This record gives sequence, C-alpha cells and structure tokens, in this order.
Amino acid sequence: NAGVTQTPKFRVLKTGQSMTLLCAQDMNHEYMYWYRQDPGMGLRLIHYSVGEGTTAKGEVPDGYNVSRLKKQNFLLGLESAAPSQTSVYFCASREQGDTEAFFGQGTRLTVV
Amino acid sequence: DAKTTQPTSMDCAEGRAANLPCNHSTISGNEYVYWYRQIHSQGPQYIIHGLKNNETNEMASLIITEDRKSSTLILPHATLRDTAVYYCIVRVGNTNAGKSTFGDGTTLTVKP
Repeated sequence: NAGVTQTPKFRVLKTGQSMTLLCAQDMNHEYMYWYRQDPGMGLRLIHYSVGEGTTAKGEVPDGYNVSRLKKQNFLLGLESAAPSQTSVYFCASREQGDTEAFFGQGTRLTVV
Repeated sequence: DAKTTQPTSMDCAEGRAANLPCNHSTISGNEYVYWYRQIHSQGPQYIIHGLKNNETNEMASLIITEDRKSSTLILPHATLRDTAVYYCIVRVGNTNAGKSTFGDGTTLTVKP
C-alpha cells in the first residue's frame, strides 16, 4: 500500500517563482489536508478538502491555493513564492467519521 | 475544535511507563481526543483515540477523565524509539468540516 504520497520530497525555489505540490492517496479517503510545519513548531493547517471538487481555508491559507479535481489528488500551489513559505509541507487524508489521519512523508521547501 | 494544552517536554527512562498529559477543558460532548506522534520530522503517525471511555491498543493506552477535560497517553514500556513529539488534538468525529488542528505537542525523550 502506498498510502499518502507527496511529490516532490525536496525543492528549492527562488522568490517569486511558482510551483505545485502534489498529494496522492490510494485509500479512497474523502478528506484531505495540507499542513505546514516550521522548525520547532507544530503543524498548521493551510487548506483542506472534504470531497472531490471542494476546498476550504484552514488557519494559514494566505499565499496558497489548492485544488481537488480528482478524489485521490490534492494539489497545493504557490503562485509567487516568498522566503516566509520556507517550511516542511505535509499532506494527510482520512475517511469520514471518527477515523485517524494518514500522513505523507513531507515536502521540504526552501525559498531563497 | 477545542484547544489543547500539553507540556513542552518530558523525559522518561527506558523501560518505564511514559505518561503524557493533555488538557482540553473546553472539549464538547461530541469531540474525540486523538493522539499522534512525529519522529524525526517524518509525517505524524496515529497512536490512539477515544471519546469518553479509556482505550488501549498495541501501542498505548488512553485515559480520559470522567469530566473529559483532560486525558493521559500511556506508553507502558518506553523504548528509545519512542522518542518523538506527541500531539494531542480534539475534534468532532462525525462532521463534514473534518479539519484537525495540531498544537506544538510534547517532546518526549526516552533515556537509557
């Protein structure tokens, strides 16, 4: 089982560049999430989705956009990267109900 | 979702029980308590969850007070591999919102 797969695992961007992070899950989960984690801190929710074609803002959505065109994929976009977006990004998915979330291994993004 | 409060760090001797507390005094009647841990900046890993009864699985036990305002995660025989950041979160189980918010967690260090 692949579970939750994030692509890429590492990336270095220049300020102002754009990129898309891909999250894919093979568990047919309804809910998907994007978090960021800065050094020494906990996870903060960026955006989430409760189903195909739906997205919603989390705690720290500014500077990011998301799309959920297919149930298994949740894309996180940075239109104009800033150094403040240097972080580790985690994707997670879970089924409806009182269920646990499954996390990907993270994408380490550095914006210079 | 209710906010949680956890100690920043704790130590435990190898082979002894590790008891990690969590306060969630504003928890609602339909909110579950979930525990995850994160080892070496990997993606968080689910440990256990409960609503009001104590729970036990192969990894840990969860003790929830009768008023549900606090809980304790117990690792019965801690090993060096249990050194990690432990997150306690509360969220509604059956909700279309589905979002989960992580705090800064407790850094547990298991010492030989």
